[in-house]
Amino acid sequence: GDSVTQMEGPVTLSEEAFLTINCTYTATGYPSLFWYVQYPGEGLQLLLKATKADDKGSNKGFEATYRKETTSFHLEKGSVQVSDSAVYFCALRPNNYGQNFVFGPGTRLSVLP
Amino acid sequence: NAGVTQTPKFQVLKTGQSMTLQCAQDMNHEYMSWYRQDPGMGLRLIHYSVGAGITDQGEVPNGYNVSRSTTEDFPLRLLSAAPSQTSVYFCASSYLAGGSTDTQYFGPGTRLTVL
Repeated sequence: GDSVTQMEGPVTLSEEAFLTINCTYTATGYPSLFWYVQYPGEGLQLLLKATKADDKGSNKGFEATYRKETTSFHLEKGSVQVSDSAVYFCALRPNNYGQNFVFGPGTRLSVLP
Repeated sequence: NAGVTQTPKFQVLKTGQSMTLQCAQDMNHEYMSWYRQDPGMGLRLIHYSVGAGITDQGEVPNGYNVSRSTTEDFPLRLLSAAPSQTSVYFCASSYLAGGSTDTQYFGPGTRLTVL
């Protein structure tokens, strides 16, 4: 079945460091891919998404590119801030007729001042 | 718009008790879903609905019931609580386009402890 794998962390970085959180997926067809962020004590919020191969999603300085050849959707940010500390979830929605999302286990990021 | 709301925020139950977690959305979304979040396991789908009167099971439906009498509301019922149901529960909704969901919008969650 469809699945999402991501580095589980925790990831600890200093402020202004470069961030990469790896995400790879297994799916039939052409899924849509998402990154969600969960701040402490809150629900998940959409961070960015991509719906087809080579699309780049971006928001708040975060970027991820849909790579079909490597089945990956790695999250990157050039300079993290303390306020980026959160749990990041990679997710997919299977193919164009899909409804139910599949989530990865989440990666906890801590950014130190 | 309030978005997706959930009540209560926290709940403690004893084994064998029943309760209903409430979820409501004001975005006129057809699709609604319930997830549980456990450490190291991400989010797992419990039940979902694609419209009033239509519900279906997700990955982990045992011990839970749902109904969808209106577009806005999607309550989750625990029939006889067990310690294994201790978790954080999230409700989410999405519009449907051509039968597919797009971005899911999440509620703030309910933290449930079963003793």
